[in-house]
Amino acid sequence: DIQMTQSPSSLSVSLGDNVTFTCEASENIYGFLAWYQQKLGKAPKLLIYGATNLEDGVPTRFSGSGSWTNYSLTISSLEPEDIATYYCQNNHVYPHTFGAGTKLELK
Amino acid sequence: EVQLVESGGGLVQPGRSLKLSCVASGFTFSNYGMNWIRQAPGKGLEWVAYISSGSSYIYYAETVKGRFTISRDNAKNTLYLQMTSLRSEDTALYYCASRGRDGSSDYWGQGVMVTVSS
Repeated sequence: DIQMTQSPSSLSVSLGDNVTFTCEASENIYGFLAWYQQKLGKAPKLLIYGATNLEDGVPTRFSGSGSWTNYSLTISSLEPEDIATYYCQNNHVYPHTFGAGTKLELK
Repeated sequence: EVQLVESGGGLVQPGRSLKLSCVASGFTFSNYGMNWIRQAPGKGLEWVAYISSGSSYIYYAETVKGRFTISRDNAKNTLYLQMTSLRSEDTALYYCASRGRDGSSDYWGQGVMVTVSS
């Protein structure tokens, strides 16, 4: 199975910050990488698919990049509603493994 | 509006069985693959199973293979997860989610809780 390693596991941030966190796959996943946002008590929400493609309706302050085994999600100018946990997911081969998540916390 | 509504969860003893359902509306269910994804209390997401639109392709996580069975009834717009030989480690909130672009999961239900305990 492909292992997905997210870092950091948590991040202390301030509103207005530009924030980037990463996801590393244990092997090449050819850009088949999704990012999800999960707020407390809610179902996850798809943000990015195919490593770089913004899902419909997702604010443009979210952007994804990367290739091969290394991927990142950037939030430009953090808004209060962005405080959440973010997960990456391998969509290249089954099982579609998730990373352990990066939890954003306000300073 | 796309809606996915899970049901069938509850408290069950170890070794027993339970069947979850997910009723879809607002899209052509028969055209889309579907996933079950779970989340243990306070933990991260774990992909559980996938079924293609016509049920030709089915995949499972190793942790549930041989115990869980994913199926669907396109006439009823319903996805199922039959869970047998349940263990305490199967305790989780179970989400159904539709397959989106590039294999992502684009629409999610609100989740249904399964608790395995004696």
